[in-house]
Amino acid sequence: KQEVTQIPAALSVPEGENLVLNCSFTDSAIYNLQWFRQDPGKGLTSLLLIQSSQREQTSGRLNASLDKSSGRSTLYIAASQPGDSATYLCAVPIQGAQKLVFGQGTRLTINP
Amino acid sequence: SAVISQKPSRDICQRGTSLTIQCQVDSQVTMMFWYRQQPGQSLTLIATANQGSEATYESGFVIDKFPISRPNLTFSTLTVSNMSPEDSSIYLCSVDRMVNEQFFGPGTRLTVL
Repeated sequence: KQEVTQIPAALSVPEGENLVLNCSFTDSAIYNLQWFRQDPGKGLTSLLLIQSSQREQTSGRLNASLDKSSGRSTLYIAASQPGDSATYLCAVPIQGAQKLVFGQGTRLTINP
Repeated sequence: SAVISQKPSRDICQRGTSLTIQCQVDSQVTMMFWYRQQPGQSLTLIATANQGSEATYESGFVIDKFPISRPNLTFSTLTVSNMSPEDSSIYLCSVDRMVNEQFFGPGTRLTVL
């Protein structure tokens, strides 16, 4: 059974810092891994999708890496801004299906 | 990407009543998914809805409690039946596009009194 874990559960940093969010999964036979952002009480916004054949993806100040063999992914946020404050979720599809298994999320607060 | 809308965006309901949540996608998709996010928790899949067939429910979720319709390739509804306070959650629909990237609707925030 695939399990996804995110560390830390919460993170508070001053504006301008670079930071790393971690995601680990138990079954390394994944097709891809997706990072989402969720603002309080809202839906999910897809940030980055990494295919199993890729090692990293970049979008603006965000960079996500994937190491399938160790069952880990990281989301790097450069030059953090208060608008980055949100919960960040990682998810992987269950093998052979399209349904996602989510981590518990990291609640990020960027202090001005 | 995909543009997904949900109605209602939020509602406050009385115990024992039912609420139907609508999900509309801007293009045809084969599979639509319904998730629940309980307060302070991550997302849990309720069921997968394919057009023209019965929805497939995950362990712990049953059709009598969460009936789903999928009348065409751009629309689906989820009903939360005989509600109790434990059903208070955010309900989200999602679709899977090319390269297996999923996109989510804005969610329906349900409070049951």
